[in-house]
Amino acid sequence: GQNIDQPTEMTATEGAIVQINCTYQTSGFNGLFWYQQHAGEAPTFLSYNVLDGLEEKGRFSSFLSRSKGYSYLLLKELQMKDSASYLCAVSGGYNKLIFGAGTRLAVHP
Amino acid sequence: DVKVTQSSRYLVKRTGEKVFLECVQDMDHENMFWYRQDPGLGLRLIYFSYDVKMKEKGDIPEGYSVSREKKERFSLILESASTNQTSMYLCASSALASHSSNEQFFGPGTRLTVL
Repeated sequence: GQNIDQPTEMTATEGAIVQINCTYQTSGFNGLFWYQQHAGEAPTFLSYNVLDGLEEKGRFSSFLSRSKGYSYLLLKELQMKDSASYLCAVSGGYNKLIFGAGTRLAVHP
Repeated sequence: DVKVTQSSRYLVKRTGEKVFLECVQDMDHENMFWYRQDPGLGLRLIYFSYDVKMKEKGDIPEGYSVSREKKERFSLILESASTNQTSMYLCASSALASHSSNEQFFGPGTRLTVL
């Protein structure tokens, strides 16, 4: 079957670093996406990894290990506005995405 | 600025009613998708379309149908709404699979309540 696992909830302090892990088992793999979703809003694209390694984009970085079926999203210098859900998704054929249930991150002062 | 719009943000319908959810994108994307999002379950794919008049079942198509008569518009139809279809419905679009990241762009969502 197809399965994507990520923690349900995480908390962190403003200014700190947090790592959100995602493990996956899927029948096809054309890349892994991370999306951010604020409460009541649409998901917005954060990052895409198709090759192993780290992709850095400002305060956000995403890592992929295809052999381990593992990815993480790293958020640095946390801000209150980073409180949101973070969705891990694996791309299959026709650009279909298989989503994990999401990780709700709460950033505290 | 790229845009995916959905016809309603909030909708309340009665059991047994036929419900139409409309989605329009202005990016000339080939692929369009309908998801529902429920707490603890994440986004689940209902149907998708990779071309006009083409449709494919997703993971949970039962109780739903779709229509894509024009490239920019993808409609989700609940033939006879039931209370277990109360959910947040999200539409998304993306370019062809041959493009680099194939990211999906999402609409604002329609929160449907079936009484």
